[in-house]
Amino acid sequence: GAVVSQHPSRVICKSGTSVKIECRSLDFQATTMFWYRQFPKQSLMLMATSNEGSKATYEQGVEKDKFLINHASLTLSTLTVTSAHPEDSSFYICSASLAGGGTDTQYFGPGTRLTVL
Amino acid sequence: GNSVTQMEGPVTLSEEAFLTINCTYTATGYPSLFWYVQYPGEGLQLLLKATKADDKGSNKGFEATYRKETTSFHLEKGSVQVSDSAVYFCALSAGDYGGSQGNLIFGKGTKLSVKP
Repeated sequence: GAVVSQHPSRVICKSGTSVKIECRSLDFQATTMFWYRQFPKQSLMLMATSNEGSKATYEQGVEKDKFLINHASLTLSTLTVTSAHPEDSSFYICSASLAGGGTDTQYFGPGTRLTVL
Repeated sequence: GNSVTQMEGPVTLSEEAFLTINCTYTATGYPSLFWYVQYPGEGLQLLLKATKADDKGSNKGFEATYRKETTSFHLEKGSVQVSDSAVYFCALSAGDYGGSQGNLIFGKGTKLSVKP
């Protein structure tokens, strides 16, 4: 089946540093990737949608200059949290959608736990 | 706006017990409804879905019926197994993929633990 990986699975960083999270579709090409954020005991919240080769579309309230998304190839999207602060600590989850697929063909990665000290 | 509310967990059951996880939604128009499951250490997986009123989604012994009159999509299984232990997420999509860019709105998740 379609597998999506994320790296790293956990990261701890100091306040003010930048952190990059990778999302890869391992056995399929993903024209669209989605980035979600999940706080403890809260829902997954869509942060942005990225299409290969174009700029990401950010949801209302998500700072695009803080959460940089790059989708340079059909199998890789990266999320960079710039100048991270403790309030950015969260669980970040990506998903990838098959080319031409609908909502139910999103395949999710296992998530990345970010802790900012 | 659109939202999903599901019962708080954790839910702990004995093997072969009956499972219900409640999910209600608020949406404009005619959303599609989903249940996703997340096993420990893995990503979310689509468990089942329903795209219109009175549709029943089913998979791996789980079922959920799209009830427009009660705006609900409760997840049920007649006899749970230890291997069903996971976190279950109810979700809705309020538009077609091309229009909403696949925007899924999730509930908070319900953790299920099944004891042997």
